[in-house]
Amino acid sequence: GENVEQHPSTLSVQEGDSAVIKCTYSDSASNYFPWYKQELGKRPQLIIDIRSNVGEKKDQRIAVTLNKTAKHFSLHITETQPEDSAVYFCAASKWTGTASKLTFGTGTRLQVTL
Amino acid sequence: SQTIHQWPATLVQPVGSPLSLECTVEGTSNPNLYWYRQAAGRGLQLLFYSVGIGQISSEVPQNLSASRPQDRQFILSSKKLLLSDSGFYLCAWSVLSGGDEQYFGPGTRLTVT
Repeated sequence: GENVEQHPSTLSVQEGDSAVIKCTYSDSASNYFPWYKQELGKRPQLIIDIRSNVGEKKDQRIAVTLNKTAKHFSLHITETQPEDSAVYFCAASKWTGTASKLTFGTGTRLQVTL
Repeated sequence: SQTIHQWPATLVQPVGSPLSLECTVEGTSNPNLYWYRQAAGRGLQLLFYSVGIGQISSEVPQNLSASRPQDRQFILSSKKLLLSDSGFYLCAWSVLSGGDEQYFGPGTRLTVT
């Protein structure tokens, strides 16, 4: 089955700096790669996603890049703010024909310090 | 707009007791439904998914089961809880046809004592 590895497990940046979180996946058939943000005790929130036919996607301060050949994708957050502090999860999925089964990374705890 | 509900929000149960967690979705028809478990400080593990009433696919063999008695209702059950069943249980939904995006409910925090 699919295996997703995520690094780093913790990341501390100063407000205004950029943060980068990297993930690798094992199944070359995976074609959808979402990123979720989870605040303490809350549900994961989908913040951005990318499909395998696209190399980069941007939404304001966040962007995701995908390298299908190397089977890795990354989340970039620019101009970080204290409210960006949370745990971020990457995931990879393959469409089964009826459902999309997500395999998650182990998460990155991002702390934005003042 | 679509809304997903889960209850109860928190639950403390003794080892060996039964379990029933419920998830309902509003504002959409024929959704795909998913159950995930998140152990403390860990990632999310897919437990079950359903593409329709009575259709359940199991991803991880364990003492849990799932059922979908109605189009927008998904239930997670156990006959006898284990300590290792403690965790944050999240239900998610996606659009049935070509829907990759999954949206999570508020979750149920289960502590087995």
